[in-house]
Amino acid sequence: GQQLNQSPQSMFIQEGEDVSMNCTSSSIFNTWLWYKQDPGEGPVLLIALYKAGELTSNGRLTAQFGITRKDSFLNISASIPSDVGIYFCAGREGAQKLVFGQGTRLTINP
Amino acid sequence: DVKVTQSSRYLVKRTGEKVFLECVQDMDHENMFWYRQDPGLGLRLIYFSYDVKMKEKGDIPEGYSVSREKKERFSLILESASTNQTSMYLCASSSPRQGLGYTFGSGTRLTVV
Repeated sequence: GQQLNQSPQSMFIQEGEDVSMNCTSSSIFNTWLWYKQDPGEGPVLLIALYKAGELTSNGRLTAQFGITRKDSFLNISASIPSDVGIYFCAGREGAQKLVFGQGTRLTINP
Repeated sequence: DVKVTQSSRYLVKRTGEKVFLECVQDMDHENMFWYRQDPGLGLRLIYFSYDVKMKEKGDIPEGYSVSREKKERFSLILESASTNQTSMYLCASSSPRQGLGYTFGSGTRLTVV
């Protein structure tokens, strides 16, 4: 099956900094989603994007669905310690199946 | 509070053992999925099911099988556990009636020795 290329694989930042990560694919997706996994837990949905060019915010998080439908990015503004975790992008493949990126591990120095 | 519950958080098994990982959801979701999570590889789909008694292979089904006898329960079976199956296993469920997002369980960290 296809995979999404997510970058960077890891980030080490200072508290208060902004964060940016992205996902690219060789195929077109009709839906992009972003998940966050806290240590020791399963991933939780953060943002879902349904239209090319769509820009959606959820608090300090902003995500965009690329105009080519082959990419998406997630920004986190003014990072705080609870933002630590692994962030996954996912694209919808077929009717109900998602394909996930490799994940971006975010570490924050206080 | 809606939930996907995985029966064990941590499991240690010996090579060659038959291993059962259980997943139960209380949301009446039609779709259920099993993923394994390995560092640098993200989430890889093992098997999924869109209905009771229905199953389809994902991207890495070798060495695994599944069972879905009831709508709420989806079991992952390692027929003969091997050390390369040491991993974090995540179960998820979803429903076309409730959008495309998956609800994940907390995961089972399996170590095969």
